[in-house]
Amino acid sequence: ETTVTQSPASLSMAVGEKVSISCKTSTDIDDDMNWYQQKSGEAPKLLISEGNTLRPGVPSRFSSSGYGTDFVFTINNVLLGDEGIYYCQQSDNVPLTFGAGTKLELK
Amino acid sequence: QVQLKESGPGLVQPSQTLSLTCTVSGFSLTSYHVHWVRQPPGKGLEWMGVMWSDGDTSYNSALKSRLSISRDTSKSQVFLKMSSLQTEDTATYYCAREDYGWDYWGQGVMVTVSS
Repeated sequence: ETTVTQSPASLSMAVGEKVSISCKTSTDIDDDMNWYQQKSGEAPKLLISEGNTLRPGVPSRFSSSGYGTDFVFTINNVLLGDEGIYYCQQSDNVPLTFGAGTKLELK
Repeated sequence: QVQLKESGPGLVQPSQTLSLTCTVSGFSLTSYHVHWVRQPPGKGLEWMGVMWSDGDTSYNSALKSRLSISRDTSKSQVFLKMSSLQTEDTATYYCAREDYGWDYWGQGVMVTVSS
């Protein structure tokens, strides 16, 4: 089973700052990493899929990088509407596993 | 348009069996995989299992002895059954479609395990 270690657990940022979230996997997953945003009371929303691919309709402020075992999710120029919990998920092998989440708060 | 909707009881007694239905529209179950995932209140996401588009299934080993996923393609429905429920199974249960990531999700159904 691939373990996904996500950090930090929480962030408090000001509008306009840059956000970086790290996910490290216990096995090599190529670039089979997905990133989700979950707002309070809602289902998660897919932002970036395998191959660091930005999903249609997702602002280009969101991006990711990484291959193998180390991955980084970035939000440039963070906005108030970006508040929520961000999860990484590896889709290379079963069982699919998630990071524990990063709670993003805006000051 | 693509939609998924979970349905089932909001309250289940301990030791009983949970039955949930995911009704999909806008796509075929024979073309896309559908996953089940759950989220306890205030906690993270746990993958439960998947109905592959070819009709095969895979399960989280931690739940495998209690979990069964099936489907009815004619009704565009995927079913989840989990037995021997305990209070720690209290969670919001989601189904989601896979298309290089889980691109569409249901709104979720909150299930409380309590007597």
